[in-house]
Amino acid sequence: EDQVTQSPEALRLQEGESSSLNCSYTVSGLRGLFWYRQDPGKGPEFLFTLYSAGEEKEKERLKATLTKKESFLHITAPKPEDSATYLCAPTGGGNKLTFGTGTQLKVEL
Amino acid sequence: DAGITQSPRHKVTETGTPVTLRCHQTENHRYMYWYRQDPGHGLRLIHYSYGVKDTDKGEVSDGYSVSRSKTEDFLLTLESATSSQTSVYFCAVPEVSGRAVETQYFGPGTRLLVL
Repeated sequence: EDQVTQSPEALRLQEGESSSLNCSYTVSGLRGLFWYRQDPGKGPEFLFTLYSAGEEKEKERLKATLTKKESFLHITAPKPEDSATYLCAPTGGGNKLTFGTGTQLKVEL
Repeated sequence: DAGITQSPRHKVTETGTPVTLRCHQTENHRYMYWYRQDPGHGLRLIHYSYGVKDTDKGEVSDGYSVSRSKTEDFLLTLESATSSQTSVYFCAVPEVSGRAVETQYFGPGTRLLVL
């Protein structure tokens, strides 16, 4: 059975304080891993797709990396508007995405 | 927003009553998905459709049925709502990339409270 664990569950940062979120997974035959951002009361918003170990993607203050067992979402010099819940979802292909429970990030001034 | 709308956006109902949620898309996606999201659980797939009148079960399909009579609409029905079905329901469609692995884009969600 595919499993995903995200850590920490919650993270509070000061503005400008860089950190990383972790997504550990056990998925047979990983074909890709997706990162989403979710704001309260809204649907998940797609951020990145990573297809193979060693791959990196960047968008503004966010950088996602992938190894064979985990993925990291690095947040550099975060701002309050980066506050959200971040979800990861690895897939072994087809329609099956296995979602983690997310990391709730709060960035304070 | 991937051209997805969900209705209603909020609903309060009583145990034992039938409830139908609607997902409407405007981009002619063949695949459509229904998920539920609950605290302590990741998004979990309820049912999905791969074409008009073609549907299949997901991870948590018990107590739910779906129908797809036209490409743009995917309906999720709770035949007799229970308190355990209180949740936030999301519809999703896949990106169209031509790749073997495609992400999914989500609608705004429907908050359902079963009393």
